[in-house]
Amino acid sequence: DGGITQSPKYLFRKEGQNVTLSCEQNLNHDAMYWYRQDPGQGLRLIYYSQIVNDFQKGDIAEGYSVSREKKESFPLTVTSAQKNPTAFYLCASNTGGYGYTFGSGTRLTVV
Amino acid sequence: GNSVTQMEGPVTLSEEAFLTINCTYTATGYPSLFWYVQYPGEGLQLLLKATKADDKGSNKGFEATYRKETTSFHLEKGSVQVSDSAVYFCALSLWDSNYQLIWGAGTKLIIKP
Repeated sequence: DGGITQSPKYLFRKEGQNVTLSCEQNLNHDAMYWYRQDPGQGLRLIYYSQIVNDFQKGDIAEGYSVSREKKESFPLTVTSAQKNPTAFYLCASNTGGYGYTFGSGTRLTVV
Repeated sequence: GNSVTQMEGPVTLSEEAFLTINCTYTATGYPSLFWYVQYPGEGLQLLLKATKADDKGSNKGFEATYRKETTSFHLEKGSVQVSDSAVYFCALSLWDSNYQLIWGAGTKLIIKP
C-alpha cells in the first residue's frame, strides 16, 4: 500500500545534539512538507519541497534543516540551534493539488 | 492575509448528541476547504473537503457546507460516538499559493458514553 513512513515514532534528544527525523513516501508525490505540532496548537510549516534538490523555508525554519536528494525521501534535522524542539513532527506529501497524505508522526523529546 | 479560526475546545458531548464545530476563514482568493481528523498519537487524516461555494463535503456521518456568504465551513454530525473522540482541524488551501494548507488551531472533541 502506498503511504508515508515516518521514523522513529519516539525520539529523545540530549541538549546540544542534532537529530534527524526520517520521512519516506512511495506515492510518487512531488511535494513534501514538514510540520511541527505543539499541544493545543495547529500545525506550523517548517520546510517544504516541491521538487528534488529544491526546498523552501516555512514559517518556523530556524533551527531546522532538510535535504531532498531523492523524490521519496525528505529528512528533517533538528539542530542544536533549535531551543525548544520538544514537539510532535508530521511529514506530509502532496500530488500537486489538494490531496495531502500525512505520516503518523514522530514525537521528539529533549532529555 | 489568509487565516482559519476554529471554536476552542475541548468540546465534551454525550454519545448520540449532535455535534457542531465552527470554522470561519479569511482568504484573498477562492479557497478549497478541508476538515482533518487526528486520533490520539496518530497523524492527520482527511475527513472531508469542499472545493467551491455551496459544495457539501461528507464522510463517516460528518458533513460541512462551504458558505461563501458567511465565510464558514462548520463541521456537523447528527449522532456522535465514543470513537469520534479526536482533534479536528479546519484548513484552507489556495491554488495560487501552491496549495499550501493554512490551519486552524484544532478542536479537541471528547465523547462520553
